[in-house]
Amino acid sequence: QQQVKQSPQSLIVQKGGISIINCAYENTAFDYFPWYQQFPGKGPALLIAIRPDVSEKKEGRFTISFNKSAKQFSLHIMDSQPGDSATYFCAASIRGRGNFNKFYFGSGTKLNVKP
Amino acid sequence: DTGVSQNPRHKITKRGQNVTFRCDPISEHNRLYWYRQTLGQGPEFLTYFQNEAQLEKSRLLSDRFSAERPKGSFSTLEIQRTEQGDSAMYLCASSLLADSYEQYFGPGTRLTVT
Repeated sequence: QQQVKQSPQSLIVQKGGISIINCAYENTAFDYFPWYQQFPGKGPALLIAIRPDVSEKKEGRFTISFNKSAKQFSLHIMDSQPGDSATYFCAASIRGRGNFNKFYFGSGTKLNVKP
Repeated sequence: DTGVSQNPRHKITKRGQNVTFRCDPISEHNRLYWYRQTLGQGPEFLTYFQNEAQLEKSRLLSDRFSAERPKGSFSTLEIQRTEQGDSAMYLCASSLLADSYEQYFGPGTRLTVT
């Protein structure tokens, strides 16, 4: 059973447009929700993250919106640029047995920003 | 470059062979994680080390898989008797002891089992 569901699988946006990627979860014990960006041949890199006591977090052109009651969160990329073309993963974290943050990742969204 | 490094970057092996991958975390990071990423999917947690102690293993980590971190620095992941289903990207990540929220990923080792 997938703990974090992500949509859409792929997304094409024109340069300057807004890219929106959505994620949903079921486990209310999740306490941290990061978004990762992955370019081909590279490992995922942390982009932005939010905790469930906050409804929105903005860093530059990237914004996370978080709806705790609906158990949904989304990534908005404003003024999308061709350099943003990558695969984006949402994730949710829960405390693991070894007292660490265990991440569950969504299946990813491949974003293509057209010039 | 002071990021997480992984070697080799690519490995092609025949079914039934054993393979070993190495991960060198960021030097001051006590926490180390292994993930597996299959094509078109997000990373899946495999195992976690705090210093040299392996504190959690996923059910994905069958008895053909073993991971070590002997001196609390680099880590190795060995797969014995590889199967075609083992073909994937194996990612290593590390984080500070004080903050396991921010995990830094390496570039991964892509394994192809023929």
